[in-house]
Amino acid sequence: DAKTTQPTSMDCAEGRAANLPCNHSTISGNEYVYWYRQIHSQGPQYIIHGLKNNETNEMASLIITEDRKSSTLILPHATLRDTAVYYCIVSGNSGYSTLTFGKGTMLLVSP
Amino acid sequence: DTGVSQDPRHKITKRGQNVTFRCDPISEHNRLYWYRQTLGQGPEFLTYFQNEAQLEKSRLLSDRFSAERPKGSFSTLEIQRTEQGDSAMYLCASSLGLSGSEKLFFGSGTQLSVL
Repeated sequence: DAKTTQPTSMDCAEGRAANLPCNHSTISGNEYVYWYRQIHSQGPQYIIHGLKNNETNEMASLIITEDRKSSTLILPHATLRDTAVYYCIVSGNSGYSTLTFGKGTMLLVSP
Repeated sequence: DTGVSQDPRHKITKRGQNVTFRCDPISEHNRLYWYRQTLGQGPEFLTYFQNEAQLEKSRLLSDRFSAERPKGSFSTLEIQRTEQGDSAMYLCASSLGLSGSEKLFFGSGTQLSVL
């Protein structure tokens, strides 16, 4: 699976959009981009994933660049409960997936 | 949907003792994963089951570790002769196993402390 690079930490004001970047320059054509988050003392929580097209669900939007070498997770209106570690993961479509988590981005949402 | 359940939430043991953790996946999920997470790090893959078959093991899974998933339902992870380096959060996840869409649902984990 391709490696990803994320900033160590980010800050966001409550109510504002949080834009979390991820670089994955070695991504292969059949690899998906996944985002998970982990709130303190809980297991990781799936947020969203995509292959080529931008995706949106009730939690977030995922913007993938045309060359697929980077992506951005957007939380449109961050709340205090969005404070968590956010993991960007690239994983292949080989029938099953053993996700390789990095250290992620610690997002702190402040009042 | 009651989610992925793990038991116990916390376990304190002395070095050299054996411990066993249990994971109950979401009922219709046929894939089950075990991960380990140490402080400040992301989760690391340990092993994976497709129904009752254990299909992949990480090199992190030494011969002191064994996992089972009888009848493709719940799973157990046993650590024999625990060492202080085994102290970590042990996470279980399950998925439907849809090709191209590996959405994992994680439990809250079992925190192991080896004294």
